[in-house]
Amino acid sequence: KQEVTQIPAALSVPEGENLVLNCSFTDSAIYNLQWFRQDPGKGLTSLLLIQSSQREQTSGRLNASLDKSSGRSTLYIAASQPGDSATYLCAVCADGLTFGKGTHLIIQP
Amino acid sequence: NAGVTQTPKFQVLKTGQSMTLQCAQDMNHNSMYWYRQDPGMGLRLIYYSASEGTTDKGEVPNGYNVSRLNKREFSLRLESAAPSQTSVYFCASSELFEKNTEAFFGQGTRLTVV
Repeated sequence: KQEVTQIPAALSVPEGENLVLNCSFTDSAIYNLQWFRQDPGKGLTSLLLIQSSQREQTSGRLNASLDKSSGRSTLYIAASQPGDSATYLCAVCADGLTFGKGTHLIIQP
Repeated sequence: NAGVTQTPKFQVLKTGQSMTLQCAQDMNHNSMYWYRQDPGMGLRLIYYSASEGTTDKGEVPNGYNVSRLNKREFSLRLESAAPSQTSVYFCASSELFEKNTEAFFGQGTRLTVV
């Protein structure tokens, strides 16, 4: 059974810092990996999708990498802003999406 | 630009009552999903519909039924609600299940069973 782990569970950093969120998964037989953002009381917003054949994807200040063989993905956020405060979820796609429990990120002004 | 729309947004039920959660997508996606989100448990798949006319159980299907009404709509029914079904329910859709293209989520239904 696929298991997805996100480290750290919570992170608080000052505004302007670059930061890395980690995601690991146990079964490398995946179609793709997706990073989401969830604001309190809201739904999930898709940030980046990395196909299994890709190594990374970039969108603005966000960069996600994928190392399928080692079962790892990272989400890099450059020049963090208070508006980046949210919970970040990674999900691997095989038979449906399997989610990690998320990293709760707080960017201090 | 509606995407995935869920109704209702909030609901309080008494134990034993029934209700149906509605979901509709306007992206012409083939696959639709129902998840529940609980503190400390993350998101777990309840049921999915890989294509119109098919439905399959996910990780936590007990106590739920689903109907894929047409390509746009996928409903989740609780026949006899229990306090353990207190949760936030999310509907999602994607273009294809097998290739599991990008998934899009609704805003959620917050259900409390008392």
